Order: sequence, then C-alpha cells, then structure tokens
Amino acid sequence: GAGVSQTPSNKVTEKGKYVELRCDPISGHTALYWYRQSLGQGPEFLIYFQGTGAADDSGLPNDRFFAVRPEGSVSTLKIQRTERGDSAVYLCASSPSSSYNEQFFGPGTRLTVL
Amino acid sequence: SQKIEQNSEALNIQEGKTATLTCNYTNYSPAYLQWYRQDPGRGPVFLLLIRENEKEKRKERLKVTFDTTLKQSLFHITASQPADSATYLCALVSTDSWGKLQFGAGTQVVVTP
Repeated sequence: GAGVSQTPSNKVTEKGKYVELRCDPISGHTALYWYRQSLGQGPEFLIYFQGTGAADDSGLPNDRFFAVRPEGSVSTLKIQRTERGDSAVYLCASSPSSSYNEQFFGPGTRLTVL
Repeated sequence: SQKIEQNSEALNIQEGKTATLTCNYTNYSPAYLQWYRQDPGRGPVFLLLIRENEKEKRKERLKVTFDTTLKQSLFHITASQPADSATYLCALVSTDSWGKLQFGAGTQVVVTP
C-alpha cells in the first residue's frame, strides 16, 4: 500500500518568504508527526497530531512555525518569514494511533532558504 | 539537560562480522526505546522496539539490549552484509511525553565485502 508522501520533495525559497510543506499520511492513521533533520543530526521533534488536534507542539521553535490538520488526514506545516537557519529536511511520520509504537516516515521535504 | 548520545564516528566493518552500536541517554525516564535505519535521502525506517522492562529483543540478524541502570542500549547486526550499510538511529519515548520520539544523531555503518 501507499506510504507517507510529502510534497514538494525540494523547496528553495528566499529569506523572509512564506512556505507550506504538505504531508499525506498512510490512510487510516490517526497520529501524525512532524520532525526536522539537519545535516549530520537525528530528527528533531516539532509537533504531533492525534486526529485533528495538536496533542504536543512543544517542539515548534517559535511562532513562525505553525501546523494544521483540519480533517484529520493531510497536514500542512507552515513557516512564516523564513530564515536561513530554517534550512533542513522536514520529515513527516504517521502511525495508527499515538499509542502505537512504530512510526512510518515519509521521504521528507528538503527546504533551502537562501 | 536531556541527551541521547550515539557514536559519531562511522563504524567500518567487514562483511560477516558483527556490528555493535551504542546509545546512551541522560535525564530521561524511557517508556521504550526504538532503533531506526536511515538511508541517504530517505526517511527513517523502524527496525526494533524494546520496552523499559525488557532486557533483550531479537529480529532476524538484529539484537537490541536495554540496560536502564547503565542508561544504555546496544544494537547488534550479526553476519553483516554490504546491504546493511546505512545510518542507524536510536530514539526514546519518555513516560512523560507519550508519542514523541527523541532521536540520537545516529551512527553510520559501512560494511565492506
């Protein structure tokens, strides 16, 4: 079956611009997670959703970052006024529920802020 | 502060030998620990999970141990193959932050024929 998909695969933007990154989880998975991975580092937790609501957003670095999941399926990570330090691979993962241990990751979106 | 540490140096190993990776953590109360594999340009793929009350888990050529006294997990790949070459990440879920995976930086393994 289809795995987690993320679009775009690559995004290049200029400092100060607004970007949206999309995640399509595995069908039926109620839990959805966003991570950010810098070169040579492990994924860093940003936020997770159980259904439509954000169950834990403690990893969002500041108020320029926002994520939504209005219908409990697709999620969008939104970054305002991008900075060069936002450049990273943004990974999305899903699982059948937040109490299900394994997370299924998408291929990521590589964001480059010039 | 909380830390999850993995060997930053790549592990170079000959085909057929056992690769052993280390994951140490501080200031966590882990509910469970997971190991993931990550290939370049791809997302992590789940391999194994071990709970805080378990000592050892096995899956095919993989073995994980968990010592909550030492605050350490060991990950073994036996009879290693070139196809095992990848970065291996350990990740914790704490008892106070259910569902939130916290990752180490990963250790690259290179298996040469």
